[in-house]
Amino acid sequence: EVQLVESGGGLVQPGRSLRLSCAASGFRFGDYAMSWFRQAPGKGLEWVGFVRNLAYGATTEYAASVVGRLTISRDDSKNIAYLQMNGLKTEDTAVYYCARTEYYSHFPFFDYWGQGNMVTVSS
Amino acid sequence: QSVLTQPPSVSGAPGQRVTISCSGSSSNIGAGYDVHWYQQDRGTAPKLLIYINNNRPSGVPDRFSGSKSGTSASLAITGLQPEDEADYYCQSYDSRLSAVVFGGGTKLTVL
Repeated sequence: EVQLVESGGGLVQPGRSLRLSCAASGFRFGDYAMSWFRQAPGKGLEWVGFVRNLAYGATTEYAASVVGRLTISRDDSKNIAYLQMNGLKTEDTAVYYCARTEYYSHFPFFDYWGQGNMVTVSS
Repeated sequence: QSVLTQPPSVSGAPGQRVTISCSGSSSNIGAGYDVHWYQQDRGTAPKLLIYINNNRPSGVPDRFSGSKSGTSASLAITGLQPEDEADYYCQSYDSRLSAVVFGGGTKLTVL
């Protein structure tokens, strides 16, 4: 059974940093890209970015709104994907989800999602 | 403002058929990029409902179907059931933004 479990969220002050983890099990982690999303309270889904698997150099792509502040990485030895968030702003307050990423014709969709992890940025 | 446009809400009685539209442009759906649909119950994670325009993952009832034409896509739900009440999101790729894009979501109410 595919499982994705996020952790590391919580309350953080503006300007500080936070790292979320997404622990994967039930599939060959190294075969898949991993993506992150967020959902602000009462709002819709927003793609944050993804990290490709090592066969594609573990390269990353990001939404324009987060470039330079949020960084995605992976540790295939631990089956974990990370979302490093620096210079946090109040507008980063959201539930953050990780998802396993499938590709069709080189473009992604997301077949399994974690349960979500709340990040609140407030002084 | 989402790149893909969905109606904020739709409703239907049990047993009825409803459709949810997803309107895009020439840089996303109209450019040939596939559309995928997700269902999100209140307070839970999204779940893949339809992938590559009209394919259902294992376990998704055949009451759910997807279609795509031109710059738009649609999700149809037949034989509405109370447990279908949820938020639904379409997703594609946009070449102008070089980004994964979502619709704003549609809240389905089963009357």
